[in-house]
Amino acid sequence: DIQMTQSPSSLSASVGDRVTITCRASQSISYYVNWYQQKPGKAPKLLIYVASSLQSGVPSRFSGSGSGTDFTLTINSLQPDDFATYSCQQSYSTPFTFGGGTKVEIK
Amino acid sequence: EVQLLQSGGGLAQPGGSLRLSCAASGFTFSDYAMSWVRLPPGKGLEWVSAISDNGGNTYDADSVKGRFTISRDNSRNTLSLQMHSLRAEDTAIYYCAKGDSSGNWFDFWGQGTLVTVSS
Repeated sequence: DIQMTQSPSSLSASVGDRVTITCRASQSISYYVNWYQQKPGKAPKLLIYVASSLQSGVPSRFSGSGSGTDFTLTINSLQPDDFATYSCQQSYSTPFTFGGGTKVEIK
Repeated sequence: EVQLLQSGGGLAQPGGSLRLSCAASGFTFSDYAMSWVRLPPGKGLEWVSAISDNGGNTYDADSVKGRFTISRDNSRNTLSLQMHSLRAEDTAIYYCAKGDSSGNWFDFWGQGTLVTVSS
């Protein structure tokens, strides 16, 4: 199984900050990484698919990059609505494993 | 508008059974693979099972293999997850999720349903 190691597990940031979350796969998975945002009591929301494609309706301050084993989600100019938990997911092969999540909190 | 409306879940005893359902609308259900994903308390998301668009292929996480069965009824636009031999570690919020047409990422999700396994 492909393991997805996400870091950090949590971070504190201020409105307007640039935030970077990383995900490392245990083997090369090309560009098959997707990113989700989840708020308490809500279903996950797809932000980025295949490493860098922005899902329709998602603000352009969200971006993704990477290939192979190392991937990054960047949030430029963090907004109040962005405080949430972010998770990566590999869609290269089953089981479609997720990272452990990164909780973005208000500093 | 795509909608995935979940039902089922609740409290079960260890070793017991539960069935989850997910009613789909707003898209051609039979054209898309579907999955179940769960969120255990205090942990990260865990993919559970997937089923191909025509139901001919299913895939399960090792943690549920032999205990959970994913199925779909394309005539009724419904996805199901039959859970047997439930364990405490199956306690989680369960989500149904629609697969994208181009790959195995999940572009729409149900509202989630809580499954609690406890005596």
